[in-house]
Amino acid sequence: SQTIHQWPATLVQPVGSPLSLECTVEGTSNPNLYWYRQAAGRGLQLLFYSVGIGQISSEVPQNLSASRPQDRQFILSSKKLLLSDSGFYLCASSRGGYTFGSGTRLTVV
Amino acid sequence: GNSVTQMEGPVTLSEEAFLTINCTYTATGYPSLFWYVQYPGEGLQLLLKATKADDKGSNKGFEATYRKETTSFHLEKGSVQVSDSAVYFCALKEDNFNKFYFGSGTKLNVKP
Repeated sequence: SQTIHQWPATLVQPVGSPLSLECTVEGTSNPNLYWYRQAAGRGLQLLFYSVGIGQISSEVPQNLSASRPQDRQFILSSKKLLLSDSGFYLCASSRGGYTFGSGTRLTVV
Repeated sequence: GNSVTQMEGPVTLSEEAFLTINCTYTATGYPSLFWYVQYPGEGLQLLLKATKADDKGSNKGFEATYRKETTSFHLEKGSVQVSDSAVYFCALKEDNFNKFYFGSGTKLNVKP
């Protein structure tokens, strides 16, 4: 079965600082990978998904970007964080089944 | 488009009380429906699912029936426990795509 490693669990960053969240997958190959975000009081929203190395699809316009440099590595980035980027970020993988990581709670101050 | 609406929380119940968390959906195709649970400090875990109309998903005493006529997938449990305290998410996934659409989550607090 697939396992997702996501870190850090919590992060506090100042406005205007860069961001890099990493997600790695074990136990499978060539998975589809996803980044979701949950803003306060709202549901999980799909931000990006990737069907392979270097292939990124963006679901909503925003201040964030994603990259997939390796088959089982998915990175969420920002050059300059905004207050509205605060939220709970979840990485997910689907390969025969859908698995979520434990999430990163990001607070931009 | 696709969307999921679920009742707002928090829901506070006493132990052994009956639980219902309402969920309705809008979909362009024939989705599968899911309930996910998020315990404090953990990621989302699949609780139960149903892939077609009239299917009933069940797990750990929780049940939900896929009602196409009312576009609903309400979560129920006959007797909740303190350990059921968590956030519950209703979600749909279209058969042709591997993307989820989630509700806003309902926080359940069960008191001893």
